[in-house]
Amino acid sequence: DTEVTQTPKHLVMGMTNKKSLKCEQHMGHRAMYWYKQKAKKPPELMFVYSYEKLSINESVPSRFSPECPNSSLLNLHLHALQPEDSALYLCASSTPRRGANGYTFGSGTRLTVV
Amino acid sequence: DAKTTQPPSMDCAEGRAANLPCNHSTISGNEYVYWYRQIHSQGPQYIIHGLKNNETNEMASLIITEDRKSSTLILPHATLRDTAVYYCIVRVNRGGSGNTPLVFGKGTRLSVIA
Repeated sequence: DTEVTQTPKHLVMGMTNKKSLKCEQHMGHRAMYWYKQKAKKPPELMFVYSYEKLSINESVPSRFSPECPNSSLLNLHLHALQPEDSALYLCASSTPRRGANGYTFGSGTRLTVV
Repeated sequence: DAKTTQPPSMDCAEGRAANLPCNHSTISGNEYVYWYRQIHSQGPQYIIHGLKNNETNEMASLIITEDRKSSTLILPHATLRDTAVYYCIVRVNRGGSGNTPLVFGKGTRLSVIA
């Protein structure tokens, strides 16, 4: 299995809703990432997990809450989002053995906040 | 990590070679040049990387100038499916957990035209 699987592919949520994005990989990668991408912009790093521990939080608002329950799974819990949080949310994983050429990205969850 | 400069957009006729330039004049001796691409509504995909020698794989060729201040990604026979945003990234490729996460610049939007 050489893929990163993200679910759901599309999500529409209200500003008072609570929802979660899920990311799964079975490549044995021990680093996992969340990126946010607005239309016609490059992906922006949000969070990094290394060996199931949060190692980087790029000053992301607390309405985004990441969780790494095990080495294969990464969640992003969403609560009280704003319309400007609408974006494509990308998950990636990597293995330190391969450096920057070892990143595998999922196809993303397209989130719309109404 | 060194800064990179890429043209915002380029066109290429289908079947012709696409040559995508990247300027990285502040690159240091232990920094690699990586190329990723992002096809619309998908996650970024690794293409190729190199340190100072030219590299070729099944997707592309990477030509790095002798002074390493610039490089060119070559897609030898571009197809419509190569239409994407291409990102040139320069960074050190440390082993273990010492790598900083992948950070994307603005990239070049390549349009392959029939």
